[in-house]
Amino acid sequence: AQSVAQPEDQVNVAEGNPLTVKCTYSVSGNPYLFWYVQYPNRGLQFLLKYITGDNLVKGSYGFEAEFNKSQTSFHLKKPSALVSDSALYFCAVRDMTTNAGKSTFGDGTTLTVKP
Amino acid sequence: DSGVTQTPKHLITATGQRVTLRCSPRSGDLSVYWYQQSLDQGLQFLIQYYNGEERAKGNILERFSAQQFPDLHSELNLSSLELGDSALYFCASSEGPLPSSEQFFGPGTRLTVL
Repeated sequence: AQSVAQPEDQVNVAEGNPLTVKCTYSVSGNPYLFWYVQYPNRGLQFLLKYITGDNLVKGSYGFEAEFNKSQTSFHLKKPSALVSDSALYFCAVRDMTTNAGKSTFGDGTTLTVKP
Repeated sequence: DSGVTQTPKHLITATGQRVTLRCSPRSGDLSVYWYQQSLDQGLQFLIQYYNGEERAKGNILERFSAQQFPDLHSELNLSSLELGDSALYFCASSEGPLPSSEQFFGPGTRLTVL
């Protein structure tokens, strides 16, 4: 079984400040980890993924995430937040040992960036 | 624009009815996924098809069924609809079937059951 926890329903930051959106996961095999962003009335947009290799992954729009195997975490970060980053963010996990693309998503974190 | 198209955009129907949601994957993508997003259950994986064959199954109710056609488009059929089936249904597609494949999401179909 696989699961994802996003412990914060809401994250508020001021524009220009760094932001972190937290994610922890559980999977029986090795994980593939993903971050998606959802704007109102839109589908999910891919931000970044961890498959293997460097634990620090860089993605779209200046976002990055750090894979920490010992803490089973994959927190999303950005050094300087923009008002336009305000959206709903989802972390997802897939089991590397399966031969299918079943994703398990967290409940989502609403990021609000204030000017 | 992800290249994944879903029709219709909105659907309003009554309890007990049956509806069909349609998805066209990105050009070249062989795998299609269906997800349900609702307020109480969040975003849940329903089912995956790869090149016409069922690849993985998630929390899909027996009242729901899906298929992928030879032209690779997919349909999700929901029958004996209940109020709790009201949700946003997303289709996603990927080139390959594996967990490493990047999935591209469509804009969704919003289903309202009255």
